[in-house]
Amino acid sequence: DIQMTQSPSSLSASVGDRVTITCRSSQNINIYLNWYQQKPGKAPKLLIYAASRLQSGVPSRFSGSGSGTDFTLTISRLQPEDFATYYCQQSYSTPLYTFGQGTKLEIK
Amino acid sequence: QVQLQESGPGLVKPSQTLSLTCTVSGGSVSSGNYYWNWIRQPAGKELEWIGRIYNGGSTNYNPSLESRVTISGDTSKNQFSLKLTSVIAADTAVYYCARTAHTIFGVVTFDFWGQGILVTVSS
Repeated sequence: DIQMTQSPSSLSASVGDRVTITCRSSQNINIYLNWYQQKPGKAPKLLIYAASRLQSGVPSRFSGSGSGTDFTLTISRLQPEDFATYYCQQSYSTPLYTFGQGTKLEIK
Repeated sequence: QVQLQESGPGLVKPSQTLSLTCTVSGGSVSSGNYYWNWIRQPAGKELEWIGRIYNGGSTNYNPSLESRVTISGDTSKNQFSLKLTSVIAADTAVYYCARTAHTIFGVVTFDFWGQGILVTVSS
């Protein structure tokens, strides 16, 4: 299985801050990497696909980058509604999809 | 807009079979363009892909669960179902159904999800 490792596991930040979350895969996955946002009691929501493509309807303050084994999700100016848990997910080894362990973004 | 809704018992006894159904609206489970998946998430833990059904009846499963999992479809009701046998406490989780689609880049995304259903394994 391809292992996905996110860092940090949790992060405290303030409204207006710029934050970056990192995801590393255990092998080369090209750009087969997606990012999701999950709020308590809700299903995950697709934010970024193919490492850097913004899903329709997602605010432009979200951006993704990377290829190969190292990826980042950046939120340029945190808004109150952005405090949530973020997951990366690889689809390189379709259909054995795997997710990262999550990064919980909390209000400082 | 595609919508998915999980249904089934919220409590299952150890060693019994967990059975859930996902009802799809706004899309067809028999469509060859999409795949229909089950994913689970134990409390405070990461998401785990369980398996998928596509083309009306073809299936793939996570090898870690394959011996206990069956996913089937009912195109007349536009539903697909999950059966997980011989459940143990570690199978307690929120179970989601979700659709996957191929993007133009060939990357597969989970683009629509159900709200999730908590299933507790306990006597």
